[in-house]
Formats: sequence, C-alpha cells, structure tokens
Amino acid sequence: LAKTTQPISMDSYEGQEVNITCSHNNIATNDYITWYQQFPSQGPRFIIQGYKTKVTNEVASLFIPADRKSSTLSLPRVSLSDTAVYYCLVASRAGSYQLTFGKGTKLSVIP
Amino acid sequence: GAGVSQSPSNKVTEKGKDVELRCDPISGHTALYWYRQSLGQGLEFLIYFQGNSAPDKSGLPSDRFSAERTGGSVSTLTIQRTQQEDSAVYFCASSLALVAGGRGTDTQYFGPGTRLTVL
Repeated sequence: LAKTTQPISMDSYEGQEVNITCSHNNIATNDYITWYQQFPSQGPRFIIQGYKTKVTNEVASLFIPADRKSSTLSLPRVSLSDTAVYYCLVASRAGSYQLTFGKGTKLSVIP
Repeated sequence: GAGVSQSPSNKVTEKGKDVELRCDPISGHTALYWYRQSLGQGLEFLIYFQGNSAPDKSGLPSDRFSAERTGGSVSTLTIQRTQQEDSAVYFCASSLALVAGGRGTDTQYFGPGTRLTVL
C-alpha cells in the first residue's frame, strides 16, 4: 500500500507562491495523486488530481516527476484564506481500494 | 444542490454505549466512504462502499465498528461498546463513481462530520 509523507507545517507571506511536496515512494502504476484542502471544523475539499507531468486548474498546479515518487502542489500568490491543512491522497488497489491520506501540511499564511 | 449530510453533528455518549452515525450522500453517487479524524490528526480511512457492497472491511479499527449501506444511498456507521479512544470526528464522503472514467479515484465530496465524544 502506498504510504505518503508530507511536511507537518509551512508558513508563507501573502502573495507568495507556496509549494507543498508529498512523497509516495511505493506508488503503484495505476495510482493517481489527489490533493485536498481542509479548513477547521469542515470536511476536506478537492483541489486537484494528476497522474504524471503537470496539471493546472483555476486554483493550483500539480507537478509530478517521471518516477512519480513525489508530487508538489503549487499555490500561486496565496492569500490569508488559503490558511488550511493540505492533504495528498494516493489510492492503491490491491484487490480493493485503500485510500491513504497523508498526515497533512498545515499552511499558515501571514499578512 | 444538496451536499453530503451527516447526523448527528455532535454526539456525546458514555463509555460502553452503542452509537450510530448516519450519512446521506449526494443523490446519484454510487461510492461512499467513511473516515475518522482524531483531534489534531490526519484522516484515517475506514471503509468504502461501491453501491451497497463494502469490498474490504480491514480498515475498521476493531470488531466493535460496523458499517452498512442500503438502497445505494444512506449509510450508517455503528460503534458498539464505545471507548474513549473512539472520540473523534467521523467524516463521510461520496463520489459519483469509485473510479473516474476508469482512471484514478473520482472526486470525493465530504460531509461536515459528526463529532463523537465518549466520556
């Protein structure tokens, strides 16, 4: 089963680009990487999903190198409202699915 | 449209009592998931349903935990003989399908959670 590792916390000033990396050394061939955002007292919310190379949507970019053993969530020009916990999710299938969330990275955006 | 709803939002119970947590997924979503989040911790995957079937129950913490889903809709997570270590927020999520177009797990939509406190 894929195991994920993320930094526990990060600080950033408003307006800066933030990059959060998740390691998933034993990711399987068919696994996708998905990132979620969680605000206090709320359930997580989908941000972005990718398989390899680069994916971009209106809120973030996701970079996945060729070996796919890590992925980097990039948040451009963060604002105070981006203060949240960010989780990477790798879904592994060994018969049935196991959905392994990382422990999350708490991002604090400073004015 | 309506999102995932969970009830109750808060539950305080005494050690040894049974509790039942309910999840109403988004209409038409075939996949449903249960997670647990202890205070200050990450998300712990418990179980998923594809339709009414749960292919793998090994993520449930102990045999005191059980889950079922009926009619491809509502799901209940039951904890028997609750213990203090069961105190956590229990999240339910649903997705249109388990796998999106045969590639990668589909986007999960989470409910607001049920905060369980076992005294």
